[in-house]
Amino acid sequence: AQKVTQAQTEISVVEKEDVTLDCVYETRDTTYYLFWYKQPPSGELVFLIRRNSFDEQNEISGRYSWNFQKSTSSFNFTITASQVVDSAVYFCALEGFTGGGNKLTFGTGTQLKVEL
Amino acid sequence: DVKVTQSSRYLVKRTGEKVFLECVQDMDHENMFWYRQDPGLGLRLIYFSYDVKMKEKGDIPEGYSVSREKKERFSLILESASTNQTSMYLCASRKWGGLQETQYFGPGTRLLVL
Repeated sequence: AQKVTQAQTEISVVEKEDVTLDCVYETRDTTYYLFWYKQPPSGELVFLIRRNSFDEQNEISGRYSWNFQKSTSSFNFTITASQVVDSAVYFCALEGFTGGGNKLTFGTGTQLKVEL
Repeated sequence: DVKVTQSSRYLVKRTGEKVFLECVQDMDHENMFWYRQDPGLGLRLIYFSYDVKMKEKGDIPEGYSVSREKKERFSLILESASTNQTSMYLCASRKWGGLQETQYFGPGTRLLVL
């Protein structure tokens, strides 16, 4: 069975602080993909990143960075110098071949609040 | 840019009513999905469709059905709405290709069943 755990239910930071959102996953698949989505108050899930299981290179996109470590089954997301516009719910998700390869398994989400 | 639209942002229905939630995508994607989102549970897959007239059950299909008569449109049907179906419903679409393709989501429909 596939499982994604986001242990942090809610995080509050002050603007310009760095913040890391944790994601731990479980899967028996050797080929799988990991995702991060952002859900602002408007409700739409916005795709942020996709990483396949064979690519452990960390990625940086502006103030966002992702750290993928297969050894600890983690795919953590860091926002540097947070801004109020980063306030949202962030979801980590996993998709593997289990179940036919058409099912995203989501974590329960982390609510990030960035205050002035 | 991928565009996934959902017919309503907010809906209020009464118990026992038949409810239709519509989703349309404009990118000629083969795969479409319906999820529901509940606090503390994340998103759970209700149904998905590989292509026109094809459908597969997800994790929580009970109480729901779907229809995919045209490639761009995927409808979720609540045959007889119940209060435990009050939730946020999210539609997604993806190009055929399986794991290496990304699912893109619509804005969601918040359904309240009284």
